[in-house]
Amino acid sequence: AQKITQTQPGMFVQEKEAVTLDCTYDTSDPSYGLFWYKQPSSGEMIFLIYQGSYDQQNATEGRYSLNFQKARKSANLVISASQLGDSAMYFCAMSEGGNTPLVFGKGTRLSVIA
Amino acid sequence: GAGVSQSPSNKVTEKGKDVELRCDPISGHTALYWYRQRLGQGLEFLIYFQGNSAPDKSGLPSDRFSAERTGESVSTLTIQRTQQEDSAVYLCASSFVAGARSDNEQFFGPGTRLTVL
Repeated sequence: AQKITQTQPGMFVQEKEAVTLDCTYDTSDPSYGLFWYKQPSSGEMIFLIYQGSYDQQNATEGRYSLNFQKARKSANLVISASQLGDSAMYFCAMSEGGNTPLVFGKGTRLSVIA
Repeated sequence: GAGVSQSPSNKVTEKGKDVELRCDPISGHTALYWYRQRLGQGLEFLIYFQGNSAPDKSGLPSDRFSAERTGESVSTLTIQRTQQEDSAVYLCASSFVAGARSDNEQFFGPGTRLTVL
C-alpha cells in the first residue's frame, strides 16, 4: 500500500487565490513527521513546512499552512495568496518513528495563472 | 557554501559502464540519504547512513548499486554496469540528528542527472 498518496497530479490556481494540495498517509507508528517540499523546474528540493504527529496545532510558515487531520490521516498543504513563483511540483513526505528516510508521494504540479 | 553539494551535476555514460556520484553533506550532519528521482516521478529512497551505524540499504534496487560514507562526511554512490533504466536524477540529503526525533529536516543537494545511453 502507498504510504503517501497525493491524488492531484496537477492543479491550477489564479494568482492571489488560496489553494489546497491534498496528502493522505498510512502508518501504524504513533510517532511520525510529515513534510512538504517544493521542487521548481530547476530541480532543487525546498523544504516548506513540517508537522509532527504529536503537535497539537497545525503548522504554519508564512503563506504555507498545514491542515493536519490526524484521525483522517491527512496533511493537506494550504498556500494562501498564490504567486507566480509558486508554480512548481509539491511533494508530501513522511518520516516514521524518528530519524528515518523520507517516503515521498508522487507529487502535485501546481500552476499559478496570472 | 554551507549547503549539500553533489558532483558531477550531469553525467552521461554508456550502457555497461560504472559511475560514481559524490555527495558532500552539511558539516555536522550525521545522517545522509540517497534518493533517486526518475523523470516526472517522486523520490525513491536508496540508502541511509547514520553515524557509525550500519547503513540502511533497503532501498537499493539491485546489487549493481552500492554506497560508502567516510565517517560523517563525504559519500559516494556507485552504480556498476549501468543500464538505461538507471537514468534519473540522484539526490543526496543530510540532516542533523538529535535523538529520536521526527522533525529533523533533510537538506537536499542539487542532484546529479545521470543519463545512460
